[in-house]
Amino acid sequence: EVQLVESGGGLVQPGGSLRLSCAASGFTFSSSWMHWVRQAPGKGLVWVSRIKTDGSSTSYADSVKGRFTISRDNAKNTLYLQMNSLRAEDTAVYYCARGGNYGGAFDYWGQGTLVTVSS
Amino acid sequence: QSALTQPASVSGSPGQSITISCTGTSSDVGSYNLVSWYQQHPGKAPKLLIYEVSQRPSGVSNRFSGSKSGNTASLTISGLQAEDEADYYCCSYAGSSTWVFGGGTKLTVL
Repeated sequence: EVQLVESGGGLVQPGGSLRLSCAASGFTFSSSWMHWVRQAPGKGLVWVSRIKTDGSSTSYADSVKGRFTISRDNAKNTLYLQMNSLRAEDTAVYYCARGGNYGGAFDYWGQGTLVTVSS
Repeated sequence: QSALTQPASVSGSPGQSITISCTGTSSDVGSYNLVSWYQQHPGKAPKLLIYEVSQRPSGVSNRFSGSKSGNTASLTISGLQAEDEADYYCCSYAGSSTWVFGGGTKLTVL
């Protein structure tokens, strides 16, 4: 059974940093593109970032470029999102999702971890 | 990276069919057959319903179907059921390894 379990969310002050983790199991993690998608309270889904299978290529939404860094450790089956210079508008539930075999669509999602940026 | 445009809400009665539109641009929906649709119930993670415009993953009901014309994609749900009441999101590949979601549509089953 495919499982994605996010952790690392919490309350952080504006300008602060946080690192999210996503532990993967039930599939060959090293063969899958992985993504982060966020959802502000009561709002829609927003794609944040993507990383290729071996970590050699990454991409970001304009809203987080230069502040967030996606990475992965295939030996630990874990995806990361390092978030720096956090702003109030980064407050959201952050989901990790697998870019699977269905034309790159996000076929499995974690349960999400809440990040709150507030003083 | 502007969000795709979806109606904020749609509604229908049990047994009826509804269609949700998703309008993008020639840089995203219009350029790639990589439109996907997701269903999200309150407090839950999204679930993939449709990929590559009109394909259904295994296990997804054939009451869900997708199509595309130009810069607009559509999701049709036939034979509406109470459990279909949820939020629905479209998503398109937008080039340069970026993706864009729609703003979401709340479906109410009357």
